[in-house]
Amino acid sequence: ETGVTQSPTHLIKTRGQQVTLRCSSQSGHNTVSWYQQALGQGPQFIFQYYREEENGRGNFPPRFSGLQFPNYSSELNVNALELDDSALYLCASGRAPDTQYFGPGTRLTVL
Amino acid sequence: GESVGLHLPTLSVQEGDNSIINCAYSNSASDYFIWYKQESGKGPQFIIDIRSNMDKRQGQRVTVLLNKTVKHLSLQIAATQPGDSAVYFCAERQTDSSYKLIFGSGTRLLVRP
Repeated sequence: ETGVTQSPTHLIKTRGQQVTLRCSSQSGHNTVSWYQQALGQGPQFIFQYYREEENGRGNFPPRFSGLQFPNYSSELNVNALELDDSALYLCASGRAPDTQYFGPGTRLTVL
Repeated sequence: GESVGLHLPTLSVQEGDNSIINCAYSNSASDYFIWYKQESGKGPQFIIDIRSNMDKRQGQRVTVLLNKTVKHLSLQIAATQPGDSAVYFCAERQTDSSYKLIFGSGTRLLVRP
């Protein structure tokens, strides 16, 4: 087990709605990254937080936002959901610059 | 552009044989590489990593080889077992201020009994 948990496991939303996904890391992990994985593809980097500040961002629009909290938890927020946002959302955490470990993911379906 | 790609989308091997999964990367400045295993419905699971100052690293039944000259990475699995059936991703880490990983599209490993 990686010690990284995510909630919920599955979620169904409709276009235009907003969603918040959550991740809980191990104690001592100072970085958390979020990835989007479409079916049949590799994970795509959304953004990373290091010591509660955004520390890098991929090619995702501003309606994808996040937070990292002092208690080793974090959130991914997506506003104005689109059909193409349907994917597996993965959280990865670690102690920089060492290996990041992934959680089980949240499967988001947008109808 | 930056990318990590795999040569074979699907690899089928006989149980007990050795498996070799290959990966090409494009950014010669990447300093760290990781292999992940992903089973259906689960998140990627760390298998083994290697830093750019190394050519080879061994784990339990797995070996990663790094050839920086041709920007090639491979994962060797010894005595492949049915539990090894999964999708395997290589990932490279950029050497910028973030620790983001660039993944390829993955190789599916099928183990025949």
